[in-house]
Amino acid sequence: GAGVSQSPRYKVAKRGQDVALRCDPISGHVSLFWYQQALGQGPEFLTYFQNEAQLDKSGLPSDRFFAERPEGSVSTLKIQRTQQEDSAVYLCASSSQPSRAGDTGELFFGEGSRLTVL
Amino acid sequence: GESVGLHLPTLSVQEGDNSIINCAYSNSASDYFIWYKQESGKGPQFIIDIRSNMDKRQGQRVTVLLNKTVKHLSLQIAATQPGDSAVYFCAENTGTASKLTFGTGTRLQVTL
Repeated sequence: GAGVSQSPRYKVAKRGQDVALRCDPISGHVSLFWYQQALGQGPEFLTYFQNEAQLDKSGLPSDRFFAERPEGSVSTLKIQRTQQEDSAVYLCASSSQPSRAGDTGELFFGEGSRLTVL
Repeated sequence: GESVGLHLPTLSVQEGDNSIINCAYSNSASDYFIWYKQESGKGPQFIIDIRSNMDKRQGQRVTVLLNKTVKHLSLQIAATQPGDSAVYFCAENTGTASKLTFGTGTRLQVTL
């Protein structure tokens, strides 16, 4: 399809396991964002890439969270030693323009990866 | 599909009526605002945006109003339809950051 694709849609992990979540943005989109959405809450910013450069990772909650976008297209969010509080939907969004002050550009979100940590 | 919010404020409107969803934002430095619609099991979908140099912007069946004095944003949906049922989030961008800060959301239920 032409939209943002995320996989897996659902992931159940035992506490302490490592997980990797994949995002395929819309082709040609330079900006890529990861957000975390807990049940009943709005999405919360995790990190932002412009092409392959990670320009903002201020929202990553701990050093167990790591994101990469090595070739400026597909991105992976990795969570090491998962904890129960990591349970959430992880949303990826892309935009055709670089995000700049006062204008993030229209973000196109994927359907998210729902992570449940037991 | 999964629920995006079990304990959100809920607005119930009858089909054909107008809906008004409100949002208070906290950062007076925010200069760009967006409304998103999120259906169950899906990602947020852009509806309409407004910059801080405007107080009103209209789209197809939707109007966003911005009151910077009281830091309040509203989304008006005309002739609400069953397909408008979803959770609605306001989001703000502060000029120094690349990120959007989302509000907690309001669930809109359209009754027939």
